[in-house]
Amino acid sequence: DAGVIQSPRHEVTEMGQEVTLRCKPISGHDYLFWYRQTMMRGLELLIYFNNNVPIDDSGMPEDRFSAKMPNASFSTLKIQPSEPRDSAVYFCASSLDRPTNNEQFFGPGTRLTVL
Amino acid sequence: AQKVTQAQTEISVVEKEDVTLDCVYETRDTTYYLFWYKQPPSGELVFLIRRNSFDEQNEISGRYSWNFQKSTSSFNFTITASQVVDSAVYFCALSEAGSSNTGKLIFGQGTTLQVKP
Repeated sequence: DAGVIQSPRHEVTEMGQEVTLRCKPISGHDYLFWYRQTMMRGLELLIYFNNNVPIDDSGMPEDRFSAKMPNASFSTLKIQPSEPRDSAVYFCASSLDRPTNNEQFFGPGTRLTVL
Repeated sequence: AQKVTQAQTEISVVEKEDVTLDCVYETRDTTYYLFWYKQPPSGELVFLIRRNSFDEQNEISGRYSWNFQKSTSSFNFTITASQVVDSAVYFCALSEAGSSNTGKLIFGQGTTLQVKP
């Protein structure tokens, strides 16, 4: 299996622009997670899905952020409008079963820079 | 509330030295899981180990070993005879299994380990 695939790997955009990050989980995994990593806040969960349904979105910072999972093999994280403080590495991860006791497989991340 | 503390921000050792990374957690649940992940310079997080709250047996995997002590709420990670390839950021994480929880992982701030040749 190719592992979790994320695109783009790097994104540089200007403040106010819309940004869309993409993720393809490992085939057969029922759970998908979006994380954000910054120096100040560390690694924090934004949202996660089970069978394409959002389960916990309490980590989504504000209404500018939205995430969708239209099918089992694709998810997007959108920021509109983007701000410089959104600059971070965004990771997508997937797991076979519940996050409580199952290993999560992480993608390579998308490094977002908002100027 | 659940919380994971990795008090060591950075550790630097010379190759072949043993090194222990500390992890202290807080939880009110009696059933929970603890994890360690490694983030090498390439950036991708890699799973190392999972331990449930009912299993306090220490575990050894090659040069890696883990010491879980509920009495001190700690889950420490030791690398024996460290190698340059061990240089990475290491994260400890906690997941609560209680019915009121969604089971999401809470990560510590990470410990950056540098192993010098």
